[in-house]
Amino acid sequence: DAKTTQPPSMDCAEGRAANLPCNHSTISGNEYVYWYRQIHSQGPQYIIHGLKNNETNEMASLIITEDRKSSTLILPHATLRDTAVYYCIVNTSYGKLTFGQGTILTVHP
Amino acid sequence: DVKVTQSSRYLVKRTGEKVFLECVQDMDHENMFWYRQDPGLGLRLIYFSYDVKMKEKGDIPEGYSVSREKKERFSLILESASTNQTSMYLCASSYEGGGEGGKLFFGSGTQLSVL
Repeated sequence: DAKTTQPPSMDCAEGRAANLPCNHSTISGNEYVYWYRQIHSQGPQYIIHGLKNNETNEMASLIITEDRKSSTLILPHATLRDTAVYYCIVNTSYGKLTFGQGTILTVHP
Repeated sequence: DVKVTQSSRYLVKRTGEKVFLECVQDMDHENMFWYRQDPGLGLRLIYFSYDVKMKEKGDIPEGYSVSREKKERFSLILESASTNQTSMYLCASSYEGGGEGGKLFFGSGTQLSVL
């Protein structure tokens, strides 16, 4: 699976959009981009995934660049409950996901 | 909603004991996984299964075995528990393929302490 690079931490004001970047420059054509988050003491929670096109669901939006070498997870109106570790993972949908260190997002009042 | 249930939230065992961690999912998922999570090391895959009676080693299988006799149940077995197996254990499941294979649903985790 392709390696991903994420900033170790980010801050966001409550009510503002949180934009979390991820680089995956070695992604191959059949690999998907998955985003998860983990709130302290809980299991990771699936957020969204995509292959080529931008995706949106009730939790977030995923923007994938045209060359697929990077992506951005957007939480449109961050709340305090969105404070968590966010993981960007690239995988062939085989399910054997490798979790890196992720980005610690802190949402401030 | 998909539900992945782990049998215990907290477990304390003695060194040398045989330990069973049970996981049940209710969405007819083909894939099931066992991870452990340790501070500073993140989540690491122990074993996974793509079908009943089928298992494959993950990144850190040493000291563990698994059993999948029924599609909904995936058990992690510590044959002889050791203190370095003290960890948070997380079970997950997913459908097979088409982008859905990587959409894992996790249980709440079992915090195992081996004394």
